Amino acid sequence: QSALTQPRSVSGSPGQSVTISCTGTSSDVGAYTYVSWYQHHPGKAPTLMIYDVIRRPSGVPDRFSGSKSDNTASLTISGLQAEDEADYYCCSYAGSYTLIFGGGTKLTVL
Amino acid sequence: QVQLMQSGAEVKKPGASVTVSCKASGYTFTASYMHWMRQAPGQGLEWMGRINPSSGVTNYLQKFQGRVTMTRDTSINTVYMEVRSLRYDDTAVYYCARGRTEDLADWGQGTLVTVSS
Repeated sequence: QSALTQPRSVSGSPGQSVTISCTGTSSDVGAYTYVSWYQHHPGKAPTLMIYDVIRRPSGVPDRFSGSKSDNTASLTISGLQAEDEADYYCCSYAGSYTLIFGGGTKLTVL
Repeated sequence: QVQLMQSGAEVKKPGASVTVSCKASGYTFTASYMHWMRQAPGQGLEWMGRINPSSGVTNYLQKFQGRVTMTRDTSINTVYMEVRSLRYDDTAVYYCARGRTEDLADWGQGTLVTVSS
C-alpha cells in the first residue's frame, strides 16, 4: 500500500491562500469520508487540523478548510500567516481498520 | 485535558527489541482506540497500527505483522508497543495518538528510538 501523494512543497506570501492536494485511490480517499489533515512543526507533536474531510476541531482557525473530489482531497489555508509554516500531512482510512498517510508537504510562508 | 505521556528515548542494537509506553489521562481510556505512528529521519509519518484498549484487539499495517505487538494495561491507562528484531531503518520518532472515528485527535510527545551498533 503506497503512501498518499502530496506535493513535496508549497509556498505563499502572508495573506495569500495556498492549497495542498492529497491523491489516493478508490480504495482509500475515494472510498471514505475519513480524510484528516495534520500540521507538524518539527520537534513537536502533530496537531489535527481537519477531520472527516471538511470538519475543523474546536480551536482551529476557520482559515483552514478541507474538501474532496473523487480520489483527491485538498487542504486550503487562506490568509496565510507566518505561524502556518510547517509540514502538513493528509491521512485517510483505507479499510480493514488501517490508516494511510501522505508523504507530507512543506509549507513555506515567504 | 487529554494528555498522552510517552516513555523516554532509547538506544538499541540491531536485532534487539524495544518497548515504548504511552500513558493516557484526561479521558475514558477504554473509550478510544490508540494508534501508533513513526517518523524516520527526513521521512514522513507512517501509520503502524492500532489497539482497542477495551478489548485488546489490534490491527497492524501488514509490513509490521509479526514484528510489532501492541498491548494495554487498563489498570494504569497505558498502552505499549514492542518492536522486535530491530533494524537500522527502525530508527525513528514513535508517536502514540488517541483515535476518534478515523482521525487522530491527540498525540503524545514522541519517543526517539535509535538503532545503532
